[in-house]
Amino acid sequence: TQLLEQSPQFLSIQEGENLTVYCNSSSVFSSLQWYRQEPGEGPVLLVTVVTGGEVKKLKRLTFQFGDARKDSSLHITAAQPGDTGLYLCAGASNYQLIWGAGTKLIIKP
Amino acid sequence: DAMVIQNPRYQVTQFGKPVTLSCSQTLNHNVMYWYQQKSSQAPKLLFHYYDKDFNNEADTPDNFQSRRPNTSFCFLDIRSPGLGDAAMYLCATTEGQGGTYEQYFGPGTRLTVT
Repeated sequence: TQLLEQSPQFLSIQEGENLTVYCNSSSVFSSLQWYRQEPGEGPVLLVTVVTGGEVKKLKRLTFQFGDARKDSSLHITAAQPGDTGLYLCAGASNYQLIWGAGTKLIIKP
Repeated sequence: DAMVIQNPRYQVTQFGKPVTLSCSQTLNHNVMYWYQQKSSQAPKLLFHYYDKDFNNEADTPDNFQSRRPNTSFCFLDIRSPGLGDAAMYLCATTEGQGGTYEQYFGPGTRLTVT
């Protein structure tokens, strides 16, 4: 059974601080996706990483895929209240996704 | 804009009263999924269709059924909702032919069981 461990599950920090969310697995994924979900809405895709060692940047968000394609991280620089939400990582296995447990992020003004 | 639409956004039903949730997509994707999500947890896959092929997750209760009459539409039927079925129900699609299997979600239907 493929598992994707996501940590931390909850994070509450002050505006302007940096943070990192991790997703780790013993399985290799063909790609790894990060989604952000706001209350009462469906998840929205932020980024997909495909190549081992790949780094993608989306404004203040930096996504990294591990060299062995088993783990990934999301780093947010100078977090803002608008970054508040549920962040979900998901590894692609055929046409299904293996989901991490999610990180509930709260950025306090 | 191409999108995934879910109706209704909010549904209230009584304990044991059947309810149907609907999903439509304009993306022309082969694969459609139904997920159940409870408060700030990861979505839990109930079942999916690859074209007309139906795939049920092993732990999806028999109380949940699905129909996909054509490429664009998919329905989730809950035959006898219990209090534990109150949740957000998410529909998603993916292209299904190679690629990275990115999923596109609808806004969800919040189900309340009274």
